[in-house]
Amino acid sequence: QQQVKQSPQSLIVQKGGISIINCAYENTAFDYFPWYQQFPGKGPALLIAIRPDVSEKKEGRFTISFNKSAKQFSLHIMDSQPGDSATYFCAASNRIRDDKIIFGKGTRLHILP
Amino acid sequence: DAGVTQSPTHLIKTRGQHVTLRCSPISGHKSVSWYQQVLGQGPQFIFQYYEKEERGRGNFPDRFSARQFPNYSSELNVNALLLGDSALYLCASSAQFNYGYTFGSGTRLTVV
Repeated sequence: QQQVKQSPQSLIVQKGGISIINCAYENTAFDYFPWYQQFPGKGPALLIAIRPDVSEKKEGRFTISFNKSAKQFSLHIMDSQPGDSATYFCAASNRIRDDKIIFGKGTRLHILP
Repeated sequence: DAGVTQSPTHLIKTRGQHVTLRCSPISGHKSVSWYQQVLGQGPQFIFQYYEKEERGRGNFPDRFSARQFPNYSSELNVNALLLGDSALYLCASSAQFNYGYTFGSGTRLTVV
């Protein structure tokens, strides 16, 4: 059972455009929703994270939108740059019970120069 | 500051062999977790250790084992390797349980 579903699988965006990646979760016990960025040959790096009591969080060009009732959250990358080309993973965890991070399958983002 | 260090970076093993992967956490970090990332997929949780005790185990067979040492470094052992064990094995460390994790660059294991 896939607890965190991510879409699209791949995404191509023009430089300066907005990249949008969506995720849905099933377990209402999740209380922490991070996004990770992974470049080839590297491990995932935490990009931005949100708790379910917040509907939106913005850090620079990156924004998480969270819809608790729909059990969905999304990552928006504003003014997308070629350097943003990477694989993005949404994730979820129940930090009270344990610290196991459940990852989505990832989105390969390519920003056209 | 050195990040999470994993060794070796690449490894090729034959089916049925045993492998040991090593991880040195960020200085001061007491929690270490291991993840398996198959090509094209998200990382999957294998183990978590905090203060040298196992705090969590993912859905992996008993061929997988791990431990954490007094200096908080950790090793992941996999016995009787199968072709399906080929993956990137990631180690992540955190200052304490239930806190943000920093991932290493991983060990790429290929089983032939």
